[in-house]
Amino acid sequence: SQTIHQWPATLVQPVGSPLSLECTVEGTSNPNLYWYRQAAGRGLQLLFYSVGIGQISSEVPQNLSASRPQDRQFILSSKKLLLSDSGFYLCAWRAGGRAETQYFGPGTRLLVL
Amino acid sequence: QKEVEQDPGPLSVPEGAIVSLNCTYSNSAFQYFMWYRQYSRKGPELLMYTYSSGNKEDGRFTAQVDKSSKYISLFIRDSQPSDSATYLCAMSDMTTDSWGKFQFGAGTQVVVTP
Repeated sequence: SQTIHQWPATLVQPVGSPLSLECTVEGTSNPNLYWYRQAAGRGLQLLFYSVGIGQISSEVPQNLSASRPQDRQFILSSKKLLLSDSGFYLCAWRAGGRAETQYFGPGTRLLVL
Repeated sequence: QKEVEQDPGPLSVPEGAIVSLNCTYSNSAFQYFMWYRQYSRKGPELLMYTYSSGNKEDGRFTAQVDKSSKYISLFIRDSQPSDSATYLCAMSDMTTDSWGKFQFGAGTQVVVTP
């Protein structure tokens, strides 16, 4: 069966510090991968998605970036965090082709102070 | 106007009651509709998936899609305190340009009281 991992689970970082969040998927190959941010009381905002190694599409302009160095690894980064980057970050995967559903990881709660 | 509208609640119901949730949308190209359940501080988990119009039942859960009205619903029968969570609707048109890009509602918080 497929599983998706995210770490760390919780992170408190000062403004201006760098960020690296990691997501890995097991039990599948060539998945589509997604990064979402969920602000308190708000819906899911798609940040990045990837259909393959090194292929990243950005949905919103911001100081975040994403990379996919391996087939089942997706990394969210920032060089300098802003207060507004606080939120709940969720990684999701979808099987390739016309698979219709996405499955989410446990999330990383980020607080920027 | 958001593509997907969902009442944030909270929706409070007594144990055993039917929970009724819904979303409206504006993009008539949406064909795939999903409901996710999200417990506090957890990732969303897929509850129901429906293609095009019609009903789908899974245990205590029933999902309905009315494409003519651009309206989807989720019903939870015999609600339990463990059903207390936020329920998110999601949808996609699955065209070549958008495969895997879902539009999510903001989520409805449900509280089932014993």
